[in-house]
Amino acid sequence: IAGITQAPTSQILAAGRRMTLRCTQDMRHNAMYWYRQDLGLGLRLIHYSNTAGTTGKGEVPDGYSVSRANTDDFPLTLASAVPSQTSVYFCASRDQPDGNIQYFGAGTRLSVL
Amino acid sequence: KNQVEQSPQSLIILEGKNCTLQCNYTVSPFSNLRWYKQDTGRGPVSLTIMTFSENTKSNGRYTATLDADTKQSSLHITASQLSDSASYICVVRSYGGSQGNLIFGKGTKLSVKP
Repeated sequence: IAGITQAPTSQILAAGRRMTLRCTQDMRHNAMYWYRQDLGLGLRLIHYSNTAGTTGKGEVPDGYSVSRANTDDFPLTLASAVPSQTSVYFCASRDQPDGNIQYFGAGTRLSVL
Repeated sequence: KNQVEQSPQSLIILEGKNCTLQCNYTVSPFSNLRWYKQDTGRGPVSLTIMTFSENTKSNGRYTATLDADTKQSSLHITASQLSDSASYICVVRSYGGSQGNLIFGKGTKLSVKP
């Protein structure tokens, strides 16, 4: 069982470009999340999905969009990247929205120049 | 405002020594408190989770305590090893909310030196 797989592991992106970060889980978890982690700020929720077909905004959603066409995949898209989106992005999942254990992917390190 | 404060921000200890990390929270209503370990370049991994009625929970050399009255938690690491070098994140969950209402602390960065 792989758990949560994120791709790419790292990326350097020119400002203004479009980028999609991929997240796939094989645990059949209903709830999935995207966080960004910045030095001194901790993890902040960008978007979430409680079940396939539904999504919601987290604490810092501006500039990002997500989709949840099926249970396994939860891609995060930056429509027009800006330098302030330079961060480490983590995808996570839980078996249910109120489940106790949240599992994280290994992260995607994104640099927007 | 729901907040989770961790201290110290960073800590350096010698291998074999014990250490205690602190977490204070102002989250209400409280559901549970978790400690995660995050190795450099990796995602966080759950160490312990405690509900309102639990005072202590252990996971190997890691022991977490919770005082729900004072809204404080600690993570005690016994006989530290080099592999304990990581960031430790305290996360408090509140009831309700569509996204599970997890409030993250900023973490304590622990360095264990030989």
